[in-house]
Amino acid sequence: EVQLEESGGGLEQPGGSLRLSCAASGFSFVSNVMGWVRQAPGKGLEWVSRITGSGVDTFFADSVKGRFTISRDNSKNTLYLEMNNLRAEDTAIYYCAKTTDFYMDVWGKGTTVTVSS
Amino acid sequence: QSALSQPASVSGSPGQSITISCTGTSSDVGNYNFVSWYQQHPGKAPKAMIYEVSKRPSGASNRFSGSKSGNTASLTISGLQAEDEADYYCCSFGRSNIYVFGSGTKVTVL
Repeated sequence: EVQLEESGGGLEQPGGSLRLSCAASGFSFVSNVMGWVRQAPGKGLEWVSRITGSGVDTFFADSVKGRFTISRDNSKNTLYLEMNNLRAEDTAIYYCAKTTDFYMDVWGKGTTVTVSS
Repeated sequence: QSALSQPASVSGSPGQSITISCTGTSSDVGNYNFVSWYQQHPGKAPKAMIYEVSKRPSGASNRFSGSKSGNTASLTISGLQAEDEADYYCCSFGRSNIYVFGSGTKVTVL
């Protein structure tokens, strides 16, 4: 069964850092583009970032560029999102998603990040 | 990277058909056939219903169909059922290798 499981969310102060992880199973992780999508409380979906299978190419939304880093460890079938200089507006559920044919075909259940003092 | 424009809400009676529009620009919807649609029930992760404008992933009901004209994509739900009540989001691949989601539409089954 294809599965994605996020972890690492929690409460962090403004200006702080968090690292999210996404453990993948049931498919060839190295062959797939992976990414992150977030959803602020009561709001819509916002694409955050994606990374190619090799990890060489990364892309970010303007709202997080320069503050967030995406990476992957293909030996551990794990995707990461390093979030620095966190702001209140980064408060959201963060979903890990597998990308195939330019759409997100598999989603995790999400991990909640709260940025507040 | 402005969100694609969707109506805030659409409603219909069981058995009817409804259509949700998704308007972008020539930098995203109008220039790429990589429009996808996602269904999200409260408290759940999104689920893909349409990709590449009009293709259905395995597991998506054939009552869902997609199309595109110019800068506007559309999702049609035929034979509306109670289980279709959810939030729906369009998404388009765009210039600079980014994705942009729509603002979301709440579908209510009357």
